Amino acid sequence: DIQMTQSPSSLSASVGERVTITCQASQDISNFLNWYQQKPGKAPKLLIYDASNLEPGVPSRFSGSGSGTHFTFTISSLQPEDIATYFCQQYENLPLTFGQGTRLEIK
Amino acid sequence: EVQLVDSGGGLVQPGGSLRLSCAASGFTFSTYAMSWVRQAPGKGLEWVSGISDSGDDTSYADSVKGRFTISRDNSKNTLYLQMNSLRAEDTAVYYCAKDVTTVTTGWFDPWGQGTLVTVSS
Repeated sequence: DIQMTQSPSSLSASVGERVTITCQASQDISNFLNWYQQKPGKAPKLLIYDASNLEPGVPSRFSGSGSGTHFTFTISSLQPEDIATYFCQQYENLPLTFGQGTRLEIK
Repeated sequence: EVQLVDSGGGLVQPGGSLRLSCAASGFTFSTYAMSWVRQAPGKGLEWVSGISDSGDDTSYADSVKGRFTISRDNSKNTLYLQMNSLRAEDTAVYYCAKDVTTVTTGWFDPWGQGTLVTVSS
């Protein structure tokens, strides 16, 4: 199975601050990586697919980059509504696997 | 609007069985693969099982293989997860999720609201 190591596990930042989350795959997954946002008590929502493509309707302050084994998710200017847990997920092969999540809080 | 409504969760004793359902609307259900993903309380996400658009191809996580069975009824626009020999570690919120193609790719959009399964005596 492909292991996805996400860091940090939690993060506290101020409104307007730039936030970066990283995800490392245990083997080459090309760009077969998604990023999801999960707000408390809600289902996950797809934000970014194929490592760097923004889902329609997702604000442009969200972005993703990377390929192979190292990936980055960035919020350029943190907004209060961005408080959530963020997960990376590989879909290079089965079983599909997720990172352990990054819980984002407002400082 | 694409909508997935999960149901069927509840409290069950270890060794018991439960069947989850996911009612789909707002899209042509029979042309998309579907999956179940679970989340134990306070934990991360774990993919459980996937099924192709026709139902001919299924796949499972090792943790549930031989105990869970995924199926679908395209005439009723409904996805199912039959869970047998349940264990305490199966306790989780179970989400159904729509894939973006006819086979399981893992590109999930959207997800159902989830249904809680609690395995306890």
